Amino acid sequence: DTAVSQTPKYLVTQMGNDKSIKCEQNLGHDTMYWYKQDSKKFLKIMFSYNNKELIINETVPNRFSPKSPDKAHLNLHINSLELGDSAVYFCASSLVTTDTQYFGPGTRLTVL
Amino acid sequence: EDQVTQSPEALRLQEGESSSLNCSYTVSGLRGLFWYRQDPGKGPEFLFTLYSAGEEKEKERLKATLTKKESFLHITAPKPEDSATYLCAVHASGGSYIPTFGRGTSLIVHP
Repeated sequence: DTAVSQTPKYLVTQMGNDKSIKCEQNLGHDTMYWYKQDSKKFLKIMFSYNNKELIINETVPNRFSPKSPDKAHLNLHINSLELGDSAVYFCASSLVTTDTQYFGPGTRLTVL
Repeated sequence: EDQVTQSPEALRLQEGESSSLNCSYTVSGLRGLFWYRQDPGKGPEFLFTLYSAGEEKEKERLKATLTKKESFLHITAPKPEDSATYLCAVHASGGSYIPTFGRGTSLIVHP
């Protein structure tokens, strides 16, 4: 009965590669998010996607792009990976009426 | 720009030793203030939402309060299983779906 799931849980890759992280929620929520949590545990929002509206944190490099095939999925594509992209990435979802966020278990990305 | 500052950064308590965590915020208009708990290797888990000054919410040994400038998470007689990082986040009014998180307070409760 996983509410928000992410795959893979761990991702190890070389610099310059392109990778994707998948996220699915079965809560019927209308808004999904991607967060990056650095080594100091700071949770920084990258994207918010509500129905057809994408809100991008302007500090996020355009190598990162969210793709939403439907309301239950929000995948994260990363091109030309850099060492500084190493972090834990969390997907979350919520209802726009409540804002309470439900987080996935995270994907630990390591760029070598 | 919305800002959230949490203090202390880290807190060590003995089992049964009550204390409080602070979340100070600056936001143009508060739509909601949220507390989350994060265990190592896991995603944050929702604890409370507070919407207006004077509001209080309780759950087991935790109690969250809100003023116009800050929120407190009071922990009464903590147990080792309360050890976690506690995150505070604010949602501003105005239609944005972007929350602002604080850097968290890492709590360790010793038996």
